[in-house]
Amino acid sequence: DAGVTQSPTHLIKTRGQQVTLRCSPKSGHDTVSWYQQALGQGPQFIFQYYEEEERQRGNFPDRFSGHQFPNYSSELNVNALLLGDSALYLCASSHPGVSGANVLTFGAGSRLTVL
Amino acid sequence: DAKTTQPPSMDCAEGRAANLPCNHSTISGNEYVYWYRQIHSQGPQYIIHGLKNNETNEMASLIITEDRKSSTLILPHATLRDTAVYYCIVRVISNFNKFYFGSGTKLNVKP
Repeated sequence: DAGVTQSPTHLIKTRGQQVTLRCSPKSGHDTVSWYQQALGQGPQFIFQYYEEEERQRGNFPDRFSGHQFPNYSSELNVNALLLGDSALYLCASSHPGVSGANVLTFGAGSRLTVL
Repeated sequence: DAKTTQPPSMDCAEGRAANLPCNHSTISGNEYVYWYRQIHSQGPQYIIHGLKNNETNEMASLIITEDRKSSTLILPHATLRDTAVYYCIVRVISNFNKFYFGSGTKLNVKP
């Protein structure tokens, strides 16, 4: 049973460029959340998608946008990249129907470096 | 969601129990305590969660004080592979509630 898969694993961009990161949730999960993790810090919530809609958003500018597809996979787009956007971007999936835990399953992340 | 306080780092000898504390003095009655860990350069991994009773699974035990203002994650026999950052999170169970990760505790398991 495949867990959460993310692509690409590593990428390098320059300031001002745009980037798209992709995520396939764990089988049976229909909710996808995105987190940004800067070096030495804990993950910070960006936004969450359920039923192809953004349900919640953290304190991130509009340069950060996303999308969820009918197969529950998701994309994170960042426009006008800044040096400070360099981070590990984590995708996590979950399912509201699972009783109790509402456990998030994380992917290994996409490491973005902005030069 | 309530915030948590964890020590920045701890050391543990291999084979010994690792006891990781977490303070959550402002926890609400409907907030659960979750523990995740993150091994270097990997995504966070779920360990355990609980409301008010002590919980145990194949990975760890969670001890929550009677007033629920603090908890301890116990790894009964730490191995070198348990070296990681451990995050304590409190939140209401809801699919639409985000997880707030603080800075966590870096556990160093030493041979």
